[in-house]
Amino acid sequence: DAGVTQSPTHLIKTRGQQVTLRCSPKSGHDTVSWYQQALGQGPQFIFQYYEEEERQRGNFPDRFSGHQFPNYSSELNVNALLLGDSALYLCASSPIRLAGMGDTQYFGPGTRLTVL
Amino acid sequence: SQQGEEDPQALSIQEGENATMNCSYKTSINNLQWYRQNSGRGLVHLILIRSNEREKHSGRLRVTLDTSKKSSSLLITASRAADTASYFCATDAIGGSNYKLTFGKGTLLTVNP
Repeated sequence: DAGVTQSPTHLIKTRGQQVTLRCSPKSGHDTVSWYQQALGQGPQFIFQYYEEEERQRGNFPDRFSGHQFPNYSSELNVNALLLGDSALYLCASSPIRLAGMGDTQYFGPGTRLTVL
Repeated sequence: SQQGEEDPQALSIQEGENATMNCSYKTSINNLQWYRQNSGRGLVHLILIRSNEREKHSGRLRVTLDTSKKSSSLLITASRAADTASYFCATDAIGGSNYKLTFGKGTLLTVNP
């Protein structure tokens, strides 16, 4: 049973460029969340996708956008890259549960983005 | 913004000793989870404790939750060098999405052989 996978592992871009990161959720999971983790910090919630729609968004500018495909995989797009976008980008998947139940989120290995 | 704050920021112990990490948070929660991260890689889920639970065990891990103090602790008993990692607590807030986790800055645990 494959866990959450992300690609690529590492990426180097220059300021102003655009980047697309990819995530495949764990088998049986239909919700995907994206997090940004700066060096020395905890992960920060970017947004979450369910049924191909963005359900909730954290405090990130519109330069950060996403997409979820019918097979539940997801992409994170970042436009007009800034030096401050350098971080580890983590994807997490979870199955839908009743409200209030809560559940474990399974994280992928992350994509390390460096903006020069 | 960070919801939780782990304490201490760094902890260094000898193999075989116990390690205790604390987490405080600000708003009322549904659940609190602890994750481990090795050298900037992906997070590994350790344990989830619900707001109506006070204590939970999993192998060498013991987690407590005090909702009146908005705090939690993670105890790792008989630590091993392989436990060296960063440990994060994560909460999901009442009234919010179950899947929007808010993390603290983490505790860096070093277990010396």
